[in-house]
This record gives sequence, structure tokens and C-alpha cells, in this order.
Amino acid sequence: GIQVEQSPPDLILQEGANSTLRCNFSDSVNNLQWFHQNPWGQLINLFYIPSGTKQNGRLSATTVATERYSLLYISSSQTTDSGVYFCAVRSNDYKLSFGAGTTVTVRA
Amino acid sequence: DAGVTQSPTHLIKTRGQQVTLRCSPKSGHDTVSWYQQALGQGPQFIFQYYEEEERQRGNFPDRFSGHQFPNYSSELNVNALLLGDSALYLCASSLVWENSYNSPLHFGNGTRLTVT
Repeated sequence: GIQVEQSPPDLILQEGANSTLRCNFSDSVNNLQWFHQNPWGQLINLFYIPSGTKQNGRLSATTVATERYSLLYISSSQTTDSGVYFCAVRSNDYKLSFGAGTTVTVRA
Repeated sequence: DAGVTQSPTHLIKTRGQQVTLRCSPKSGHDTVSWYQQALGQGPQFIFQYYEEEERQRGNFPDRFSGHQFPNYSSELNVNALLLGDSALYLCASSLVWENSYNSPLHFGNGTRLTVT
């Protein structure tokens, strides 16, 4: 099956800092999503981005499908950005394959 | 517009027992998938239901079974519970277009199952 690797595994930020999370995948994809999982376990959709660039407030994402990677940018980080960020991809089937996640801690 | 809803939110069961988890998809969605998330790991695909049939299954034993109803809601059943079944169970819904796998998934808040 398709392999998804996320880096870094852990990230500690000071409030106001910027950061970049990376997702590499092993095959072509039809679907790529970024999620934020909060401490209560809620998995929140951030972006549906199989290719191209999108922005939503302080967050933006870029997927370069031909090179099999995606980047999630967090600007001016806030303590509420803390949690685990997952990249998930889907190829030619119904299964969404998740990476191991990046745990982000934003300190005040 | 109601999102994906799951019940119950928490559940404690004993080894060997059986459990049923429930999911209602987001309004307008016709496909439901179930995922298991163990502590510290990413979610793992269990199976997907579309038109009341199991369409694809992940690497889970037959103790895990499911059902989809005509109103698109779904149940996940786990028999003969093991301690290792303790996890967060997530339901996701999407809209399937013919011959297309590229619709985004929307997840519910999950059911946290503890097996003692």
C-alpha cells in the first residue's frame, strides 16, 4: 500500500513563530488531506489538497503531486494550534492512509 | 448542516464482550468508513460501506463487522473484545462519485473504547 511519511515527528514553537510540516508519499494520489487532531481527539479538516496551493487564515498548504510531497505552513502560531497534525492520502481505492503525525506544541 | 455524529462518546467493556458503535454521516453523504486509532498512532482503515455493502476492508479480523442502513447511517460491531481493541474509533463520511476516489472525508468526534 501507499506509504506516508511526516516530518518532523515533534515540533516545539514559541507563540508567534512560523513553521513548516512536511508529508512525503510513495505513489500518485487522488486525494490528500491535512487534519488537526486536538487534545480531545477531534479530527478537524484543514485542507483537501491533492495538488496546488490553498490558504485559510494563518494556515496554508502546498502539494506538488509530481514530486509526491505536501507542505503545511503555520504562521504566527498560537497556543490553540497545539495538537497533532496528520497528512492522509488516497490512491486508487477507498482507503485513506495516514502518516504518523507531527505533534506541535506552542508555548506562550 | 449536521456533521458526522457518533455515539456513544465513551464506552468501557470487559474482555470477551461485544460492542456496537454508531455513526450518522454528514448530510448529503452516502458513504461511511470506519477507522481505529490506537494511542500515539495515526488512524487505521477498518472498512468502508456504500449502498449498504462493504466495499473495501483493511487488515482487521472478522471480529470486526459492520452494517449500513438505507438512511446511510452505519454500525461497527466488534465481537470477543481483546485488550488490544482499546482505541478511538472514528467514523468518516464522504460522497462517492462514480469511478472516483477523490472526494474529501469528514470525520466524527469518535468513540473512545476501553477494554478491561
